[in-house]
Amino acid sequence: AQSVTQLDSQVPVFEEAPVELRCNYSSSVSVYLFWYVQYPNQGLQLLLKYLSGSTLVKGINGFEAEFNKSQTSFHLRKPSVHISDTAEYFCAVSALASGYSTLTFGKGTMLLVSP
Amino acid sequence: DADVTQTPRNRITKTGKRIMLECSQTKGHDRMYWYRQDPGLGLRLIYYSFDVKDINKGEISDGYSVSRQAQAKFSLSLESAIPNQTALYFCATSEQGPGTGELFFGEGSRLTVL
Repeated sequence: AQSVTQLDSQVPVFEEAPVELRCNYSSSVSVYLFWYVQYPNQGLQLLLKYLSGSTLVKGINGFEAEFNKSQTSFHLRKPSVHISDTAEYFCAVSALASGYSTLTFGKGTMLLVSP
Repeated sequence: DADVTQTPRNRITKTGKRIMLECSQTKGHDRMYWYRQDPGLGLRLIYYSFDVKDINKGEISDGYSVSRQAQAKFSLSLESAIPNQTALYFCATSEQGPGTGELFFGEGSRLTVL
């Protein structure tokens, strides 16, 4: 079965600093990977996804993530964060074993950007 | 107007009461989902439906039931609510399967069971 581990429950950072939110997955077969963002009092929205091709994926709002198969990771990065990036970020995985029919979410990482 | 609308947005109820959470969408998607969000636990799938005649259990379906009244409507029921069903509930839709395409979420329904 597929699973996702988000290593940090909370990441505090100052405005304009770089940030990395870590995500590791476990699956013995091919996977698709996603990052979703949840702003306060809102539903989730897709930030970016990796299905195939280039391992560096660019998303909305200046975020990017890199798929690393050998390390089974899909870390999310942004070179300079804004106050408005304060939100909860969820990594998610689907696997060939389930026919890519179900999506398993991590427990989330709260990004707290302060001035 | 939101593409995925959930009602009610907030509800407080008592143990043993029957509760229905409703979801309607204007995106024209066949696939609809109900998720539950608990602090520190992320999102967990309760039920999903790939078309009007298709209903499937997710990982935490016990204590819940669903009804797909039309392509655009998908309701979640708690037949006899209990306190550990206190959570934030999300409805979502997708054009493709959730494992390949994008999920579109409603704004959530916060349920408190006393």
